[in-house]
Amino acid sequence: IAGITQAPTSQILAAGRRMTLRCTQDMRHNAMYWYRQDLGLGLRLIHYSNTAGTTGKGEVPDGYSVSRANTDDFPLTLASAVPSQTSVYFCASSSTLYNEQFFGPGTRLTVL
Amino acid sequence: AQSVAQPEDQVNVAEGNPLTVKCTYSVSGNPYLFWYVQYPNRGLQFLLKYITGDNLVKGSYGFEAEFNKSQTSFHLKKPSALVSDSALYFCAVRDMSNTGKLIFGQGTTLQVKP
Repeated sequence: IAGITQAPTSQILAAGRRMTLRCTQDMRHNAMYWYRQDLGLGLRLIHYSNTAGTTGKGEVPDGYSVSRANTDDFPLTLASAVPSQTSVYFCASSSTLYNEQFFGPGTRLTVL
Repeated sequence: AQSVAQPEDQVNVAEGNPLTVKCTYSVSGNPYLFWYVQYPNRGLQFLLKYITGDNLVKGSYGFEAEFNKSQTSFHLKKPSALVSDSALYFCAVRDMSNTGKLIFGQGTTLQVKP
């Protein structure tokens, strides 16, 4: 069982470019989340999806968009990357809103 | 506003000694509390949770946590630390909105020395 996979593992991106971070889970979890982790700031929620077909904004949604076409996939898109989006991005999922979340291995993104 | 505080940036213990990583929280209503561990260049791994019931919660790798409602604390403990326990530990509380998001503390680095 793979759990949650994320791709790419790392990426260096020029400012202004468009980038999609991929996230796939095989646990049939309803809820999925995108967090960014920054030194000294912990993890902050970018977007979430409680079930396929629905999404919502988290604490820091600006500059990011998501879609949830099916249960397994929850891609995160940066329409026009900026250096402040340099971070480590984690995808997570949970079976319900009340249960623990399981995290992917992360994507380290550098925007120059 | 809901929040989680981990007052120590780093905790140092000798191998074989007991360890405690502190966490306090502020939420309205009954809290859903979690502990996660993060090893270098890895994602977060779930350790344990408190939803309701017994105040002493047992989790993975010999860790446990004690929920104290009067002190609004949820400290992580282990009776005998291992060098391999050295990692970054996060306490989290579930947000009470319908996002289901976790509100994380800043993290505490645990260093276990041989």
